Amino acid sequence: ETGVTQSPTHLIKTRGQQVTLRCSSQSGHNTVSWYQQALGQGPQFIFQYYREEENGRGNFPPRFSGLQFPNYSSELNVNALELDDSALYLCASHTPESTDTQYFGPGTRLTVL
Amino acid sequence: AQSVTQLGSHVSVSEGALVLLRCNYSSSVPPYLFWYVQYPNQGLQLLLKYTTGATLVKGINGFEAEFKKSETSFHLTKPSAHMSDAAEYFCAVTPGNNRLAFGKGNQVVVIP
Repeated sequence: ETGVTQSPTHLIKTRGQQVTLRCSSQSGHNTVSWYQQALGQGPQFIFQYYREEENGRGNFPPRFSGLQFPNYSSELNVNALELDDSALYLCASHTPESTDTQYFGPGTRLTVL
Repeated sequence: AQSVTQLGSHVSVSEGALVLLRCNYSSSVPPYLFWYVQYPNQGLQLLLKYTTGATLVKGINGFEAEFKKSETSFHLTKPSAHMSDAAEYFCAVTPGNNRLAFGKGNQVVVIP
């Protein structure tokens, strides 16, 4: 059973640019959640996708958007990057049978200059 | 809304001593509670969780936590700290919809 993977590992962008982060969920997991972890803080829930539909959203502006594909992999897109978007972005997935346990990927470190 | 409070961002403990990390939660519904560990440059790994049933929960690496509804607490303990326990620890709560609300974390330093 493969784990949750994310790409790229690190990314540097400048203000105003757009970025796409990718997540491949663990085999058999049909729900993916994305979190933003700023330096020195706990992760903050961005949104969740279930069977390719958004299934809940945290307190993030619309310039944060996502997709989930038929193979349950997912993308997080951020438009008009701001300096405060610099953070570790984590995705997590879980199975329909074990909805209380999420498995996290290693994250993508985004730096906005 | 659900939230957790973790006091003391940095916790120093001597090798072999008790590890105690405190977590208090706020929840309008019966909560699911979790402790995650994060090693440098890695994602989050689940240590243990409480959903229903027994209030004393045992996790990996010798950690355990006790759900105390009357105190709205879910403190994490380990009887004897090991150097490999140096990491950041996060308490989290969810009403059961997998939208985890995390605390700010505790950075644990183990002193030889």
